[in-house]
Amino acid sequence: ETGVTQSPTHLIKTRGQQVTLRCSSQSGHNTVSWYQQALGQGPQFIFQYYREEENGRGNFPPRFSGLQFPNYSSELNVNALELDDSALYLCASNYPGLAGQDTQYFGPGTRLTVL
Amino acid sequence: GIQVEQSPPDLILQEGANSTLRCNFSDSVNNLQWFHQNPWGQLINLFYIPSGTKQNGRLSATTVATERYSLLYISSSQTTDSGVYFCAVERASGTYKYIFGTGTRLKVLA
Repeated sequence: ETGVTQSPTHLIKTRGQQVTLRCSSQSGHNTVSWYQQALGQGPQFIFQYYREEENGRGNFPPRFSGLQFPNYSSELNVNALELDDSALYLCASNYPGLAGQDTQYFGPGTRLTVL
Repeated sequence: GIQVEQSPPDLILQEGANSTLRCNFSDSVNNLQWFHQNPWGQLINLFYIPSGTKQNGRLSATTVATERYSLLYISSSQTTDSGVYFCAVERASGTYKYIFGTGTRLKVLA
């Protein structure tokens, strides 16, 4: 149990549509990161939010956007869906641990299928 | 950018066997974590280990930062150890942007 939840669990969309994925982390987790994991590959960093502002971005186009809210929840929005967007989307929140140990905790993921 | 390579890519073990998984990275890192991804996709933290050695039950890990590699040891493997093991590195402190390795897919047979 990581304390990070995601919704929905599964989602099916068609090309061109828009989707919003949600993540909720524990109180005090002030950094949230989103990753895309294609089948058979490792997670790829999309972007990160710290105190409600984007704080780093991977190699993803602008149609991938996000929001972080004061209640430690966040959203990943993807516009103009493409077939290649089919993947497991993971959010991870950071817990500022003891002695400088900054461990990322991952949610269970949302599996998106684009038809 | 930094490259993270894991070996072996696939591993099949009989229950009770021991194994060593390796993670090589191409540049200095500030943080390193090992994860186990279960068949349902959940990434479980195993170790936060930017350097040194840690043990947790049947699992232990060693990172030699100066030589840019980390090892994950699994002893007396069980079927529940099956899944994919990832190492992930953070290059610059505080960014929490992790670069994941290619993964080792482990199957433990009863």
